Amino acid sequence: ILNVEQSPQSLHVQEGDSTNFTCSFPSSNFYALHWYRWETAKSPEALFVMTLNGDEKKKGRISATLNTKEGYSYLYIKGSQPEDSATYLCAFMIYNQGGKLIFGQGTELSVKP
Amino acid sequence: DAGVIQSPRHEVTEMGQEVTLRCKPISGHNSLFWYRQTMMRGLELLIYFNNNVPIDDSGMPEDRFSAKMPNASFSTLKIQPSEPRDSAVYFCASSWDPGGNTEAFFGQGTRLTVV
Repeated sequence: ILNVEQSPQSLHVQEGDSTNFTCSFPSSNFYALHWYRWETAKSPEALFVMTLNGDEKKKGRISATLNTKEGYSYLYIKGSQPEDSATYLCAFMIYNQGGKLIFGQGTELSVKP
Repeated sequence: DAGVIQSPRHEVTEMGQEVTLRCKPISGHNSLFWYRQTMMRGLELLIYFNNNVPIDDSGMPEDRFSAKMPNASFSTLKIQPSEPRDSAVYFCASSWDPGGNTEAFFGQGTRLTVV
C-alpha cells in the first residue's frame, strides 16, 4: 500500500505569518510530485509539478522543494494572506504506472486577518 | 476549452437505484481519472484511463461500481445498485501527459447523496 502523508492536518495562522507544510511519500518508484490548492466549494487546482530531486518551484509567495531520496516535499507560504486559506494537497505519481496519482489527505490552512 | 465538465452537479437518489456520473475531459487530454472524496479517506483514486483504456481499477470499491470510456471525450462512472455509503463527492480529472510532467485538471465534482 502506497501512502502519501501530509502534516500538519490543519493549521491556523495570522495574516502575515509564514508557514510550511510537509508531504511524505515513498522514495522508491518516484516519478513526480504534485501540489494542489483546494478552496472550499471549488475543485483542486495545480500549484506545482516537480520531477527532479532538488527541484524548487515558486509562484508568488508560495514555493516548494523536493527531496526524492528521502521522500519528502515542503510547501512554503511567505506572508500568509486570508485568501491563502484553502486545503493544500500533495500527490505522488508512481513510475511506470501510466499516470497513477495518489493524493495525501491535505493540510487545511486558515489565515485570520 | 471549458475545462473538465461533469454532470450532474448534484444527484439525490434512493438506495438500490442506478446512478450514472458523466465526465467530459479537456480536449486533447489522454489520461482521465475518477476520484471520490470522503471525510475519512480524502481524495481516493477509483480508476484511471489512458488513451481510453482502463489502466488501474484497483480503487473501485466493489462490483457495484463500473466505469467506461467509449471515446476520448466521454467517460461514465456507474453505481448499480447504489447504497447510502456511496454518498460522496465524485471528481473527474484529466491530463494530457500520463508521464507525470503536467498537472491534472479537475471538474467541479458531482455530489451524490443516496438516501
